Amino acid sequence: DVLMTQTPVSLPVSLGGQVSISCRSSQSLVHSDGNTYLHWYLQKPGQSPQLLIYRVSNRFSGVPDRFSGSGSGTDFTLKISRVEPEDLGVYYCLQSTHYTFGAGTKLELK
Amino acid sequence: EVQLVESGGGLVQPGRSLKLSCAASGFTFSNYGMAWVCQAPTKGLEWVASISTGGGNTYYRDSVKGRFTISRDNAKNTLYLQMDSLRSEDTATYYCARRRGYYDGTFYFDYWGQGVMVTVSS
Repeated sequence: DVLMTQTPVSLPVSLGGQVSISCRSSQSLVHSDGNTYLHWYLQKPGQSPQLLIYRVSNRFSGVPDRFSGSGSGTDFTLKISRVEPEDLGVYYCLQSTHYTFGAGTKLELK
Repeated sequence: EVQLVESGGGLVQPGRSLKLSCAASGFTFSNYGMAWVCQAPTKGLEWVASISTGGGNTYYRDSVKGRFTISRDNAKNTLYLQMDSLRSEDTATYYCARRRGYYDGTFYFDYWGQGVMVTVSS
């Protein structure tokens, strides 16, 4: 099975600041079709998860450009710039091969 | 607007059964694969099961194979999860999610319901 390692577990941030979250897979996520199927979600407190980024770097409908995804192969990064209060919550990465989620990164105020 | 509304959760004794439903609206339900994802209290997300557009192909995580059955009724725009032989470790919030992608290894979930709690306890 593909294991997903997310770091850090907790990420204190000041409003207006910039942060990065890492997601590493135990195997390459490059599909035989040449694309890479790694996605990012945010679960705000008391809410269901919401899709932020699909296929490494594509922002989902309505997601502000403060969110950006990058990476390749086994190493992926979600960057959030100009952090706003509504960005707080737990971020998860997901790989499509066997629907494996990372353990989550909690973004909280310093 | 895409909406997914789960129902059917509750408290159930170990070994008993429960059936979850997910009513879909705002999109052509029969055009999308669907899935159930769970989240145990204070834990992360785990995929549970998926189903193809017509219902002919179903997939399960190992821990629920033989106990859970995912199904759909495209005429009623509804997704189901029949949960049998429930165990305490099945206690979780269960989310219905719409699946996007083209073929195996490409799928992800773009819209999620609000979730329904299942508690397995004597």
